[in-house]
Amino acid sequence: QVQLQQSGPGLVKPSQTLSLTCAISGDSVSSNSVAWNWIRQSPSRGLEWLGRTYYRSKWYNDYAVSVKSRITINPDTSKNQFSLQLKSVTPEDTAVYYCARESLTALFDYWGQGTLVTVSS
Amino acid sequence: DIQMTQSPSSLSTSVGDRVTITCRASQSINSYLNWYQQKPGKAPKLLISAASSLQSGVPSRFTGSGSGTDFTLTINSLQPEDFASYYCQQNYISPWTFGQGTKVEIK
Repeated sequence: QVQLQQSGPGLVKPSQTLSLTCAISGDSVSSNSVAWNWIRQSPSRGLEWLGRTYYRSKWYNDYAVSVKSRITINPDTSKNQFSLQLKSVTPEDTAVYYCARESLTALFDYWGQGTLVTVSS
Repeated sequence: DIQMTQSPSSLSTSVGDRVTITCRASQSINSYLNWYQQKPGKAPKLLISAASSLQSGVPSRFTGSGSGTDFTLTINSLQPEDFASYYCQQNYISPWTFGQGTKVEIK
């Protein structure tokens, strides 16, 4: 059974970097048949896909245009996890952040527990 | 990006009722449409993929239909555990996008 366990701070100051980690069990971050995503949810934006990392003989990343200049998603094969970094945050980045596994058919079939991140001084 | 529009945004209903939620895509997405259920404080849970394929373990009172731009999620004989929010998501073309959600509340 695949499980995703999120960790990271719940409070980030404006202009700083939001950093979250998603630890994977029951699957591999290097799997050739899935992708590893970050999605956030807020009352104003609803569910918003942020980006993903995946391995197909080499590593790839895709990012949402809305955050492309600020986001980095990295795999960590030694710890079987992946991370999200979002730079220069503002209060508009306040949201519940989820990691999720994406199947080959682009279904989000496993999700982390969610982390409420508040951007405030 | 493909815009997904759900209606209604919320509805009040009773146990045993039939509920219909619609989702419209801003362009044709064939049958690349998924439905998720979300309960308060929890992550979304995949219910239906490819517009009408029920995921393993999901009760048969949930049905999905549609293709192209118009889709429907129907819940027959609503049960207490079905009071939740429901979201559609297109997986036709990246970036994957979600509807704004429909909250099903107890009348």
